[in-house]
Amino acid sequence: RKEVEQDPGPFNVPEGATVAFNCTYSNSASQSFFWYRQDCRKEPKLLMSVYSSGNEDGRFTAQLNRASQYISLLIRDSKLSDSATYLCVVNGDTGRRALTFGSGTRLQVQP
Amino acid sequence: NAGVTQTPKFRILKIGQSMTLQCTQDMNHNYMYWYRQDPGMGLKLIYYSVGAGITDKGEVPNGYNVSRSTTEDFPLRLELAAPSQTSVYFCASRGPANEQFFGPGTRLTVL
Repeated sequence: RKEVEQDPGPFNVPEGATVAFNCTYSNSASQSFFWYRQDCRKEPKLLMSVYSSGNEDGRFTAQLNRASQYISLLIRDSKLSDSATYLCVVNGDTGRRALTFGSGTRLQVQP
Repeated sequence: NAGVTQTPKFRILKIGQSMTLQCTQDMNHNYMYWYRQDPGMGLKLIYYSVGAGITDKGEVPNGYNVSRSTTEDFPLRLELAAPSQTSVYFCASRGPANEQFFGPGTRLTVL
């Protein structure tokens, strides 16, 4: 079983739609959770951290369910510029403080 | 702040050649990382460093070496390039909230 699993998509949605991505993680001891965004042929960039109580940043809402070991990202009012791959990221190894990356979910917002 | 910078952006190597991928960060972060990303796949940790003079292996260290003589620099060395090392290489450093900041990547092809 992969440490972090995501649906690869693609999710094709019209502008203005609401779209949600989920990811599951296997290490119950994980402490830090993030969503990163990666544009084609570019480096991953931090979109938002994910907190236990859930958190919102503009049109983006992230939720964490520790009991079920899944993380979600909700994007409201999708823009064309939201088209990218969204990476679910978990701090899986506290010794290295390294992050474990999911393979990503591709989002394509269409006009 | 330039953040994390990497050179070169692109490189083509012949089998058996060697090269060094450069990475520099100006954020005074102790932790630094090297990842590789194959097409359509997640990032895999090659090596990491918790500070100057200290390095350790990640998931896929074979065929690579690193050094960390200063806080700022974390070069990755390929000694005998093989086609399996064709990939995009990302360097990252870790911020105070465990988030990682990535360089723009080096796209390497081994023929």
